[in-house]
Amino acid sequence: AQSVTQLDSQVPVFEEAPVELRCNYSSSVSVYLFWYVQYPNQGLQLLLKYLSGSTLVKGINGFEAEFNKSQTSFHLRKPSVHISDTAEYFCAVSRSQYGNKLVFGAGTILRVKS
Amino acid sequence: DTGVSQDPRHKITKRGQNVTFRCDPISEHNRLYWYRQTLGQGPEFLTYFQNEAQLEKSRLLSDRFSAERPKGSFSTLEIQRTEQGDSAMYLCASSLQTYEQYFGPGTRLTVT
Repeated sequence: AQSVTQLDSQVPVFEEAPVELRCNYSSSVSVYLFWYVQYPNQGLQLLLKYLSGSTLVKGINGFEAEFNKSQTSFHLRKPSVHISDTAEYFCAVSRSQYGNKLVFGAGTILRVKS
Repeated sequence: DTGVSQDPRHKITKRGQNVTFRCDPISEHNRLYWYRQTLGQGPEFLTYFQNEAQLEKSRLLSDRFSAERPKGSFSTLEIQRTEQGDSAMYLCASSLQTYEQYFGPGTRLTVT
């Protein structure tokens, strides 16, 4: 069975500082990895995805993530955050033969302070 | 492309009542998913349709839950005899044979 662990439940950071949100997954087979963002009272929006190829994936809003197979990690990074990045971020994994259903981590709340 | 829509956005019901939620996917998307999200947790998979066929159901989906997608377009999720533990955000997502799922705004259910 697949599982996703987001190592930090909350990450406070000052505006314009860099940030890393950590995600580790467990699976015995190849997986596809995603980061979603959820703003208050809204649905989930896809930030970026890793399907294959380059291990460094760039997404929207200046976010990027690096797939590390040996460490089974998919950490999300942004070099300089804005107040508007305050939201909850979810890491997710899927396997194609299961209809691409997503298995999510518990989420990390990013709080950007001025 | 108007995105995935869900109705209602909020539902308050008394324990023991039945509720039904609707999801309208992006028009050309053939896959539709339901997830449930409780406070402080990530979304959990409930069920999945490809066109009108329900291909997978989670063990989370008890006998009180039923989902349909009769014509391969919109879908409904019904909960019978609601319990307080059913209080959650119910999310719908759709996709087109790709790995990218587009989510709706969700329906927040409160069972009193």
